[in-house]
Amino acid sequence: EVQLVESGGGLEQPGGSLRLSCAASGFTFFTYEMNWVRQAPGRGLEWISHISSSGRTIQYADSVRGRFTISRDNARDSLFLQLDSLKTEDTAVYYCARLSGSGRHIDYWGQGTLVTVSS
Amino acid sequence: DIQMTQSPSSVSASVGDRVTITCRATEDVSIWLAWYQQKPGKAPKLLIYAVSSLQSGVPSRFSGSGSGTEFTLTIDSLQPEDFATYYCHQAKTFPRTFGQGTKVEIK
Repeated sequence: EVQLVESGGGLEQPGGSLRLSCAASGFTFFTYEMNWVRQAPGRGLEWISHISSSGRTIQYADSVRGRFTISRDNARDSLFLQLDSLKTEDTAVYYCARLSGSGRHIDYWGQGTLVTVSS
Repeated sequence: DIQMTQSPSSVSASVGDRVTITCRATEDVSIWLAWYQQKPGKAPKLLIYAVSSLQSGVPSRFSGSGSGTEFTLTIDSLQPEDFATYYCHQAKTFPRTFGQGTKVEIK
């Protein structure tokens, strides 16, 4: 069974940092591309970052480029998102998501971790 | 960036109704269009990928169609568990983008 379990969310002040983790299991992690998607309270889904299976190809949304860093550790079946220079508008549930092996769509999502940025 | 616009933003329907949700893209997204269902407090769930392919385990009352820039999600014979918010998503280019969502509510 595919499982994606996020952790690392919490309350942080504007300008602060957090590191989100996503533990993957139930599939061969190193062969899959991964994404992070977020959802602000009461709002829709926002794609924020992509990483290839090897980690060599990375993409970001304009809203987070230069502040967030995606990475992965294939030896530990883990995905990460480093959040720096946090803003209040970064408050959201952050989802780790797997891309289908046969296409570009997201086929599995984690349960999400809540990041709250407030003074 | 490719913008995705869903209509309607919300729809009230009864059990047994057919519901149709439209998603329009500002550019051709080819086959790279997926639909997701999200219930309150839960992660999204994949329903349809590649415009019209039904994800394993998803009931056949869900179907997708369309091409180029206009796509449709249809729910035949709406069931109580289908009341949720639905999102389209383009995976043709970066940045990936989602529609704003369509909430299907009980009439």
